[in-house]
Amino acid sequence: LAKTTQPISMDSYEGQEVNITCSHNNIATNDYITWYQQFPSQGPRFIIQGYKTKVTNEVASLFIPADRKSSTLSLPRVSLSDTAVYYCLVQTGANNLFFGTGTRLTVIP
Amino acid sequence: NAGVTQTPKFQVLKTGQSMTLQCAQDMNHEYMSWYRQDPGMGLRLIHYSVGAGITDQGEVPNGYNVSRSTTEDFPLRLLSAAPSQTSVYFCASSYSLISYEQYFGPGTRLTVT
Repeated sequence: LAKTTQPISMDSYEGQEVNITCSHNNIATNDYITWYQQFPSQGPRFIIQGYKTKVTNEVASLFIPADRKSSTLSLPRVSLSDTAVYYCLVQTGANNLFFGTGTRLTVIP
Repeated sequence: NAGVTQTPKFQVLKTGQSMTLQCAQDMNHEYMSWYRQDPGMGLRLIHYSVGAGITDQGEVPNGYNVSRSTTEDFPLRLLSAAPSQTSVYFCASSYSLISYEQYFGPGTRLTVT
């Protein structure tokens, strides 16, 4: 069960780019890196997934260095509605996911 | 598509009572799972199922039973509720065991007194 380490909390002003870094030193060859977002009183929502280098979708980018021991979720130009908890996971498929305590992002007006 | 639905949204039980938390998905997903989330903590896997008729234990299975008689439904049973089971319960599904994107339901907030 590959575990991850991420900052407990971060603050950012509206309109700024936010980068949340996750450490996963024990990542296995078959593991992928995924990020989820959770708003209060809701279930987590999948944001992005990647294996190596860079992945971009309509809401975020994911940067993964060659050694894959860390990854960085980048949220461009955050708004108040991006205030949430962000979880970094490493996984081989859907089972045995480890959701740590996540990073609580607070966007300030 | 309704996605993943859970009922009830809220429930209060007395110690020793039993109940079933319902979970259904209409996406024809093979893989379904139950998590619990305690205040200030991440999610912990209770039970999971890779298809109808197949279930297995997760990280914290004690005190809970599951069954999967259809692809759509994956109920979670609390056999004899204890205060330690006070938590928010999330059901999730994904296309298959090797999928990386899971779809979560809105959660059931359970309080055991």
